[in-house]
Amino acid sequence: DAKTTQPNSMESNEEEPVHLPCNHSTISGTDYIHWYRQLPSQGPEYVIHGLTSNVNNRMASLAIAEDRKSSTLILHRATLRDAAVYYCILRRYSNDYKLSFGAGTTVTVRA
Amino acid sequence: DTAVSQTPKYLVTQMGNDKSIKCEQNLGHDTMYWYKQDSKKFLKIMFSYNNKELIINETVPNRFSPKSPDKAHLNLHINSLELGDSAVYFCASSQVPDTAYNEQFFGPGTRLTVL
Repeated sequence: DAKTTQPNSMESNEEEPVHLPCNHSTISGTDYIHWYRQLPSQGPEYVIHGLTSNVNNRMASLAIAEDRKSSTLILHRATLRDAAVYYCILRRYSNDYKLSFGAGTTVTVRA
Repeated sequence: DTAVSQTPKYLVTQMGNDKSIKCEQNLGHDTMYWYKQDSKKFLKIMFSYNNKELIINETVPNRFSPKSPDKAHLNLHINSLELGDSAVYFCASSQVPDTAYNEQFFGPGTRLTVL
């Protein structure tokens, strides 16, 4: 699996945007960029995914660099409930099935 | 309605015992998984089943045996429990085909403590 690199931790103030970077310099053309998050004492939950174009959903936005070697997850207005570990994961378009989690970025939101 | 449920939520047992963790999904998915999250918080795939057929077995000791009685259930049976088996175990499911753009839905986890 292609590797991703994320900062260990980030802090934000409530109601401010959070920009979570992810580097994936060895990404291949068939790799999708997925983001999951894990709230304390809960299972991971899907946030968003994309291939080449920027993506928006009700939870977040995903900005993908033109060369696809990096991406940024954007939480537009952080709430206390957004405090979690955020994982950037590459999934290849094959019958791969599994998600390969790294260490992720621990996001702390200050009230 | 809980999409992916696991029982029990907590499991404390002695070394050498045999225990099972149950997982059920009501999403109509054909693919189910077991992941293990150790004390350092790394999440790793253990098994994947597609329509009751084993797809992935990630070098897990054969003391671990998944069983899928039907496509809505994937249970994890562990024989001769060891201290190192202490972890949080997550069940997950996804629709078929499980391609690179499908999301996986996770259960709440089962915290296993082996004494």
